[in-house]
Amino acid sequence: SQKIEQNSEALNIQEGKTATLTCNYTNYSPAYLQWYRQDPGRGPVFLLLIRENEKEKRKERLKVTFDTTLKQSLFHITASQPADSATYLCALESAAGNKLTFGGGTRVLVKP
Amino acid sequence: ETGVTQSPTHLIKTRGQQVTLRCSSQSGHNTVSWYQQALGQGPQFIFQYYREEENGRGNFPPRFSGLQFPNYSSELNVNALELDDSALYLCASSKSDRDEKLFFGSGTQLSVL
Repeated sequence: SQKIEQNSEALNIQEGKTATLTCNYTNYSPAYLQWYRQDPGRGPVFLLLIRENEKEKRKERLKVTFDTTLKQSLFHITASQPADSATYLCALESAAGNKLTFGGGTRVLVKP
Repeated sequence: ETGVTQSPTHLIKTRGQQVTLRCSSQSGHNTVSWYQQALGQGPQFIFQYYREEENGRGNFPPRFSGLQFPNYSSELNVNALELDDSALYLCASSKSDRDEKLFFGSGTQLSVL
């Protein structure tokens, strides 16, 4: 069955450094992959979408890569700030095409 | 703010009871999806409604049911509540069933005692 794995351990990083999160998936070839940010007690907020024919996407200090051969996406936050502290979720289009399947999320803590 | 509103924000029920959660989708959106998020986990897809019809369902039992109204607002009903139903229930709307981006509400935190 489709499986999405994100590092369940929290990522502690110093302000100004680059945070890199991974999302690995198996038993599926999604047409696209998305990243969301979730703050405690709130719903996820859409950040970026990358399609299978795109290698890299950028938005301000965020960068996403998508390697369909490795079945992996990397999510980078450059020049990290304490306000970037949150849980980051990757999500893949399901085989049915009409729903998103989410990974477990990785919590990021940026220390000043 | 996404424009998706959910009510109530918190709810406490006892095992065996029934609950109804409500969601008002963002203006211009005709598709609503419901997700269950247990503590420390990612959201799990329950079902999706598109133009008032169920349009896909995840691995949840029939005691989880839903409705979508002509104004595209939606309800999630859960019968015969179990302790494991305790979770954050998220509603997300999108412009259509083919639109990839989801706009989430802040969720309803359900506790089953």
